[in-house]
Amino acid sequence: AQKITQTQPGMFVQEKEAVTLDCTYDTSDPSYGLFWYKQPSSGEMIFLIYQGSYDQQNATEGRYSLNFQKARKSANLVISASQLGDSAMYFCAMSLVFGNEKLTFGTGTRLTIIP
Amino acid sequence: EPEVTQTPSHQVTQMGQEVILRCVPISNHLYFYWYRQILGQKVEFLVSFYNNEISEKSEIFDDQFSVERPDGSNFTLKIRSTKLEDSAMYFCASKDRGRTEAFFGQGTRLTVV
Repeated sequence: AQKITQTQPGMFVQEKEAVTLDCTYDTSDPSYGLFWYKQPSSGEMIFLIYQGSYDQQNATEGRYSLNFQKARKSANLVISASQLGDSAMYFCAMSLVFGNEKLTFGTGTRLTIIP
Repeated sequence: EPEVTQTPSHQVTQMGQEVILRCVPISNHLYFYWYRQILGQKVEFLVSFYNNEISEKSEIFDDQFSVERPDGSNFTLKIRSTKLEDSAMYFCASKDRGRTEAFFGQGTRLTVV
């Protein structure tokens, strides 16, 4: 079974600063994917970034990057130059990579950007 | 940009009533999912669906729940006899073959009174 742990229930960050959201995971399977989703107050789940367990380089998508440290089983999300619109709940998730594998989510981190 | 569409956005129902939550996945996607999120808690997997059958279900997905893909475009979740603890946000998601990320609908907030 897979498990995701997010230890920061809430974070406050000044606008334009970078922020790191922590995520650790546990699985015995060698082939897996790690995901980050954003959930604004409106409730929808927005896919942000993906990292595969065999990817050699850390994933990046615009202002989002994933700091993947396989030996430590961590997959932290880094948001550079934070904006007010980044205020939301952020969920780390993982799945095995075969076909229709489900996502297992962490408990989330509520990020608040302060003007 | 294609998106997953869920209806209704909010449904209030009386305990014991049947509800059907509807989803239109992205048209060329092959894998379909339902998740739920009780207020303030994490998102939990309910069921996955592929090739017109359930491929996996969680312990939450008991006999009160069922899924259907009746016409090749819609994907529904039925709760036969709702309980107060079924109150949650229900998300539909779909994924394309060969892709890693699942795309979520905007959710249906179900309130059982």
